Parts: sequence; C-alpha cells; structure tokens
Amino acid sequence: DVKVTQSSRYLVKRTGEKVFLECVQDMDHENMFWYRQDPGLGLRLIYFSYDVKMKEKGDIPEGYSVSREKKERFSLILESASTNQTSMYLCASSLEGLAYEQYFGPGTRLTVT
Amino acid sequence: AQRVTQPEKLLSVFKGAPVELKCNYSYSGSPELFWYVQYSRQRLQLLLRHISRESIKGFTADLNKGETSFHLKKPFAQEEDSAMYYCALNSNYQLIWGAGTKLIIKP
Repeated sequence: DVKVTQSSRYLVKRTGEKVFLECVQDMDHENMFWYRQDPGLGLRLIYFSYDVKMKEKGDIPEGYSVSREKKERFSLILESASTNQTSMYLCASSLEGLAYEQYFGPGTRLTVT
Repeated sequence: AQRVTQPEKLLSVFKGAPVELKCNYSYSGSPELFWYVQYSRQRLQLLLRHISRESIKGFTADLNKGETSFHLKKPFAQEEDSAMYYCALNSNYQLIWGAGTKLIIKP
C-alpha cells in the first residue's frame, strides 16, 4: 500500500516567513508532485520532479521553490510567505511512465496571516 | 490549449436517483482521461480511467471523442457517494485537472 506523508496537516505562518513543506513517499516512486488545491480552481501544479535533483516548473511556480535530494523526499519551499499563498497543499507521487496514477498525501492546510 | 472543464461546481441529487458528473476536455491528440475522488477527510484517489473501461463503486465513464466528453455516471446514487470529484487529462506525463464537482447525495 502506497504511503505518502506530509509533515504537517495544519500550519499557520506570518507574512514574510520562510515555509518548508515536506513530503515523503515509501514506494520508490520516481515522480513527485506539489499542487495547491483551491475551491473553484481545482488542483494546480506548482512543481514536479521526475528524479533526484531534477525539477520542472508547473503552472504556478512563482513564489515557490522545491528540493529533491533523496528519491523519497520532495520539499516545497515558500521563500517569503504571502497571504495569497494561503491554501491546501497536496503532495503526490507516481511511478515513472505512470504519471496519471498519482498517490496523494493527506494535504497541508497552510494559513498565512 | 489543453483544458478540462467541469461545468458544475455543485451537484445535489437524492439517494437512489441517477448521477451524471460532466467533464469536457480540449486536447489535440488521443486523450487519456481519469476520474479522481476525494471523500470527506480522506485523500484524493484515482477512481477510474477511461482506458480500462471498468466500473468502480457502480460508476462508469465513457469517452466520447465526438463530444469531447468523459462524463461520470451512476444509475442509483448512494449516500456514500458524496464527495468531491475531479476529472483529469494526461498530457505530457502530467495531469491537467478540472475544477472539480462537489456531489451531495440527499437522503
């Protein structure tokens, strides 16, 4: 059973803070993804990674960066949090070549005040 | 442009009634489409994919290339079907997501 875990379920940060969201998967998946989920907008891809140290921008990368130093771990970084980054953040992973079958973490609800 | 449209943000039906969640897509190629579901307080998970032509939890979805649609259907809704449903399109090894439809099944 694939397990994708995220470091926090709820997080409250202040404007300007640097924020780290961690995601770990235990199924040796090559692909990992970070999305934000907003009502009425669905899921929007922030970044994805298809291998260690590799990253690709998604649809809304501005204000975010990522790090993948180990295969099982994919970190999302908000360099200077802003209120418009208040959202639900979802991490997902998938096997190489099976990007459509994504396994999701429980999500982190981030509030920036 | 590649796009997935789910025209209904909210759909409310009575238990036992038929359900149809609409999904339309725009894609210049042979599309691969999927339905994902998120039950309350649970993770988003894959429900079904068009290529397998399967029925999961009583739901089916047929790809209609002429109408560029991939509607999700169930003949008799159950209360446990209440959830958020997302239609997604496979494009260049990524998924393009619709905005989602919240399905509420009334008792």
